[in-house]
Amino acid sequence: GQQVMQIPQYQHVQEGEDFTTYCNSSTTLSNIQWYKQRPGGHPVFLIQLVKSGEVKKQKRLTFQFGEAKKNSSLHITATQTTDVGTYFCAGFADYKLSFGAGTTVTVRA
Amino acid sequence: NAGVTQTPKFQVLKTGQSMTLQCAQDMNHEYMSWYRQDPGMGLRLIHYSVGAGITDQGEVPNGYNVSRSTTEDFPLRLLSAAPSQTSVYFCASNSNRARSGELFFGEGSRLTVL
Repeated sequence: GQQVMQIPQYQHVQEGEDFTTYCNSSTTLSNIQWYKQRPGGHPVFLIQLVKSGEVKKQKRLTFQFGEAKKNSSLHITATQTTDVGTYFCAGFADYKLSFGAGTTVTVRA
Repeated sequence: NAGVTQTPKFQVLKTGQSMTLQCAQDMNHEYMSWYRQDPGMGLRLIHYSVGAGITDQGEVPNGYNVSRSTTEDFPLRLLSAAPSQTSVYFCASNSNRARSGELFFGEGSRLTVL
């Protein structure tokens, strides 16, 4: 079945630094979504990527969908304490949405 | 606009007890679903529904029942609780029956089974 792998599982970042989290699917995806979950909160939709090679930006966040539509990345620049939380990717294929295990981000001030 | 509302937020059960987690949405979404979240395992789909009267199983349906008598409500029933069902449960809805697009999540229900 469809599997979505996400790395790293944990990311400890110094405030002001950049980091990237990666998402890889075992199958070709129709689209990929990204969600953010603050500690103790619920997942909140960030963005959806549909096209091969698509790149979208939201302020300091840059999302990319791979050319083969089997991988994606989220890059955060100049990390702030408000970026703390777990970032999930979710790949959509064959009417199924499969979530990765998430990257939990902590920030050192 | 309340969005997706889950109750209760916290629940402690003894092994073998039954209970129902309630989920309601006021966005007229056709698609509703239940996920469980366990450390290191992301969100796993339990059951879903693409409209009133229609339900189907997800990845981890064993031990859970659902029904969808109205568009708004999608309760999740634990028939005989087991410690393995200790988890955080999220209800989510989507305006797209094909499930492509943004999922709106409730605030979650934290269940502990002793």
